[in-house]
Amino acid sequence: EAGVAQSPRYKIIEKRQSVAFWCNPISGHATLYWYQQILGQGPKLLIQFQNNGVVDDSQLPKDRFSAERLKGVDSTLKIQPAKLEDSAVYLCASSPRTGDIEYFGPGTRLTVT
Amino acid sequence: RKEVEQDPGPFNVPEGATVAFNCTYSNSASQSFFWYRQDCRKEPKLLMSVYSSGNEDGRFTAQLNRASQYISLLIRDSKLSDSATYLCVVTNNAGNMLTFGGGTRLMVKP
Repeated sequence: EAGVAQSPRYKIIEKRQSVAFWCNPISGHATLYWYQQILGQGPKLLIQFQNNGVVDDSQLPKDRFSAERLKGVDSTLKIQPAKLEDSAVYLCASSPRTGDIEYFGPGTRLTVT
Repeated sequence: RKEVEQDPGPFNVPEGATVAFNCTYSNSASQSFFWYRQDCRKEPKLLMSVYSSGNEDGRFTAQLNRASQYISLLIRDSKLSDSATYLCVVTNNAGNMLTFGGGTRLMVKP
């Protein structure tokens, strides 16, 4: 069974630039999550989708971050404009249903200079 | 107080040692509990779920203490390959959102 796919794996941008990340969850998984993991910390949930609806986005900095999951499958996370403190690994995860075991993708390592 | 707290470590132990980690959580109505393992520069992967009655998987034992609001992970006969960060994960009241602790780093030395 294919796992969660993410791209790109690495991205380096300058502050104030824009960046977008893509995630393809495990086939059939209804729930999709985006996490931000800063070095030395645990993953922090940014947004959770159930199919193509948002379950929770309370920790998403909406002035600069946006995410969508059109058609309830793939998802994109965008940052515009990026700040230095956005440097982190952005992890996408999926699960068959909310509260179930989450399967993580390899992450996108973002460096903002 | 953080929702899920862990001692960041690192815990440096020799091969063959027994090591235990604790994790405390603030929401007394949390529904489910997990331990995830994260290797350096890799994604987190589920290690084991934590059940009210406690559960064991080979050298790993997880326990839940609802009264004191903590979960524990015990690793017996540590192997070099156990070196990783162990993340404690707790769900909310409805059981539909996971919160991760900051992780405990374990280093097993020869």
